[in-house]
Amino acid sequence: GAVVSQHPSWVICKSGTSVKIECRSLDFQATTMFWYRQFPKQSLMLMATSNEGSKATYEQGVEKDKFLINHASLTLSTLTVTSAHPEDSSFYICSASGRGGQTNEKLFFGSGTQLSVL
Amino acid sequence: KQEVTQIPAALSVPEGENLVLNCSFTDSAIYNLQWFRQDPGKGLTSLLLIQSSQREQTSGRLNASLDKSSGRSTLYIAASQPGDSATYLCAGAGSYQLTFGKGTKLSVIP
Repeated sequence: GAVVSQHPSWVICKSGTSVKIECRSLDFQATTMFWYRQFPKQSLMLMATSNEGSKATYEQGVEKDKFLINHASLTLSTLTVTSAHPEDSSFYICSASGRGGQTNEKLFFGSGTQLSVL
Repeated sequence: KQEVTQIPAALSVPEGENLVLNCSFTDSAIYNLQWFRQDPGKGLTSLLLIQSSQREQTSGRLNASLDKSSGRSTLYIAASQPGDSATYLCAGAGSYQLTFGKGTKLSVIP
């Protein structure tokens, strides 16, 4: 199956700093990437959807100026958590689709990034 | 708005038992229903995808069913093994979005 690489796997940072998470599709062109966040014992929640070459679409309640998403190429999307605070501590995971984001096929997920903000 | 519920939240069974995980969803207008496995601190692995026109899918010891009319899906695991211990998530797919349940944490005791 398709492979999606996400790194770092975990990161600890000080409050107020920015953290960048990368998501790469290794063997297919990801026209659409999804970014999810999961708090302990909660569901995965979609944060934003990004299509290559265009601005990301954010879900309600997600601050676009705080969670910067860049999808500049068909194989790379990045999520930058700006001025991170302890409440941003969470598990972030990306998924990629090669067919415009349609859900009539399996999505492939990265391994996730555990962010801890001190 | 789609809501997905998984029952039970946690399940512990002895090795070798057959078990069923339940998933219910409120909006029957789904494109498909997907089951994932999540290991601690790791990403998701797609297990089975059932298209809206299908009733079930099988992969090895796993069998997933879908009943759109009742808004339910089940994941059946046969002859459970300790390696099956993980959190199992179901997700209902709209046209461009998956809505996840909170998962069922399965522990298979050797």
